[in-house]
Amino acid sequence: GESVGLHLPTLSVQEGDNSIINCAYSNSASDYFIWYKQESGKGPQFIIDIRSNMDKRQGQRVTVLLNKTVKHLSLQIAATQPGDSAVYFCAERRSKGGKLIFGQGTELSVKP
Amino acid sequence: DADVTQTPRNRITKTGKRIMLECSQTKGHDRMYWYRQDPGLGLRLIYYSFDVKDINKGEISDGYSVSRQAQAKFSLSLESAIPNQTALYFCATSLTGSTDTQYFGPGTRLTVL
Repeated sequence: GESVGLHLPTLSVQEGDNSIINCAYSNSASDYFIWYKQESGKGPQFIIDIRSNMDKRQGQRVTVLLNKTVKHLSLQIAATQPGDSAVYFCAERRSKGGKLIFGQGTELSVKP
Repeated sequence: DADVTQTPRNRITKTGKRIMLECSQTKGHDRMYWYRQDPGLGLRLIYYSFDVKDINKGEISDGYSVSRQAQAKFSLSLESAIPNQTALYFCATSLTGSTDTQYFGPGTRLTVL
């Protein structure tokens, strides 16, 4: 039979605007979270991480926010550029030393 | 990440053939992982190894086997490939510690006809 792939959630933004990519996680015991960026034809690339004892962490043009009350993680990209176009995955670690569990991913498309 | 390499990068094979995918790393990490990625899906863990003598099944290990020949090398085998194993395969490494951030290779695109 023919297989049909799932469609990724997509976010389309204008170049120069800020982007917000969201992720819901399931395990309240998760203690560590990572955002990865995957460009077409490449492996996932580490962007930024955050521990569960923090609610915000900033990097270069990126900020990760963690809301443990509602088990929500977001990635904010400031002044989005065409090179930011990619699929973004969140990952959670459910116990120290445990495996990472990856989300489905969100495809970010930047319009010039 | 150039520190994690995978060979081959692309492979087309036929149903029933045995296939081996290789992963090497120069990061000095002790932990290595094999993931599978299908269109529209996230990464699913096939096998992982925390050390040379340690092999663990992930969520989708059926139809696959692995070998950790050295700390720097972790190979994935498909004993008898089938079409639904057509996918992107990624190797990743991490260093035992407080975060276990994983670093990924460039991937192998496998097509089983």
